[in-house]
Amino acid sequence: AQSVTQLDSHVSVSEGTPVLLRCNYSSSYSPSLFWYVQHPNKGLQLLLKYTSAATLVKGINGFEAEFKKSETSFHLTKPSAHMSDAAEYFCVVTRPFGNEKLTFGTGTRLTIIP
Amino acid sequence: DTGVSQNPRHKITKRGQNVTFRCDPISEHNRLYWYRQTLGQGPEFLTYFQNEAQLEKSRLLSDRFSAERPKGSFSTLEIQRTEQGDSAMYLCASSFLQGLNTEAFFGQGTRLTVV
Repeated sequence: AQSVTQLDSHVSVSEGTPVLLRCNYSSSYSPSLFWYVQHPNKGLQLLLKYTSAATLVKGINGFEAEFKKSETSFHLTKPSAHMSDAAEYFCVVTRPFGNEKLTFGTGTRLTIIP
Repeated sequence: DTGVSQNPRHKITKRGQNVTFRCDPISEHNRLYWYRQTLGQGPEFLTYFQNEAQLEKSRLLSDRFSAERPKGSFSTLEIQRTEQGDSAMYLCASSFLQGLNTEAFFGQGTRLTVV
């Protein structure tokens, strides 16, 4: 079984300040973890993925996430928020080498304050 | 555009009617997935195909739901005798299975409203 918990349903930050979106996972095997972003009226887009290589993963648009097995966490960060970052973010877990169906968290809505 | 294409983008139907959605995956992608997303929730897995074979169905997929992927290319998702609880965004994704680097690409979805 696998699941993810996104600890905040809504995060607001000022433009230019750091972003932290929190995610904890539960898995009975070594998981693959992803962050997806969903802008209004657009499809889900992959931001970054962890697949058992380096624990610090860099993605697109300046985002990165760190896999911490001891804490079962995969938090998403960005040093400086931009207005275009406003969107819904999903933490996702899957079992590698399996059917690779994605199990999504409930999402975190990121609001950027000008 | 070589991304995942879903049609229609929006569908309004009366309760009890049948509806069918289409998904055209990225060409040569051998896996195709259907997900359902309700308001305020993350997408939930419904079913997936590897080529033309439907390999897994979620318990969320009641008998009123059926999916096909003839010839391993496009896929259709049909909902019979729609209910108001079927109102949701239906998302299709495709991927090419290759080790640990599989990335699923999503379409923009079909928003179903049952009135």
